[in-house]
Amino acid sequence: DIVMTQTPLSLPVTPGETASISCRSSQSLFDGDHGTLDWYLQKPGQSPHLLIYTISYRASGVPDRFSGSGSGTNFTLNINRVEAEDVGVYYCMQRREFPYTFGQGTKLEI
Amino acid sequence: QVQVVESGGGVVRPGRSLRLSCVDSRFSFSSFGMHWVRQAPGKGPEWVASISYDGNKKYYVDSVKGRFTIARDNSKNTLFLQMNSLRVEDTAVYYCAKDRLPHNFYGMDVWGQGTTVTVSS
Repeated sequence: DIVMTQTPLSLPVTPGETASISCRSSQSLFDGDHGTLDWYLQKPGQSPHLLIYTISYRASGVPDRFSGSGSGTNFTLNINRVEAEDVGVYYCMQRREFPYTFGQGTKLEI
Repeated sequence: QVQVVESGGGVVRPGRSLRLSCVDSRFSFSSFGMHWVRQAPGKGPEWVASISYDGNKKYYVDSVKGRFTIARDNSKNTLFLQMNSLRVEDTAVYYCAKDRLPHNFYGMDVWGQGTTVTVSS
């Protein structure tokens, strides 16, 4: 199975700052033409929702403060101008192969 | 707005069975792969199973192989997860999730609110 490792596990930030979350995979997530890495946010008391798909594409309705980058086995989620509503746990997930696997999660706190 | 709704959770004894359902009528259900993902208390999400749009391809996490069965009824826009021989470690919120694009697997873009399964003696 592909192991996903996120850092940090906890990320305290001040509103207006930039937050960065790293995600590393145990093998390349490049699948021909595309990178098979997605980011999800789980806000308190809610189910996870899709933020970024295929490394860098924002899901519908996601503010452009959120951006994803990376290739191969190293990926980053950046959140510019962090707002209070961004709190929650961020997960990366690989879909290069089954079983899909998630990172441990990064808890963003204001 | 696309939405999926799970049902069927509950409290059961170890070794017993439960069947979860997930339904939505606001998208072309029969064109999309579907997934079950669970989240144990205080833990991150764990992918459980996926099924192709036509039901011909099914995939499972190793810990549920031989015990859980994913299925779908496209005539009723319904996804199922038959869970047999339940264990205490299957206790979790179970989410149904729709695939992002039709006719293949592209990851999950719409998740339900989840249904809680508690396995306890």
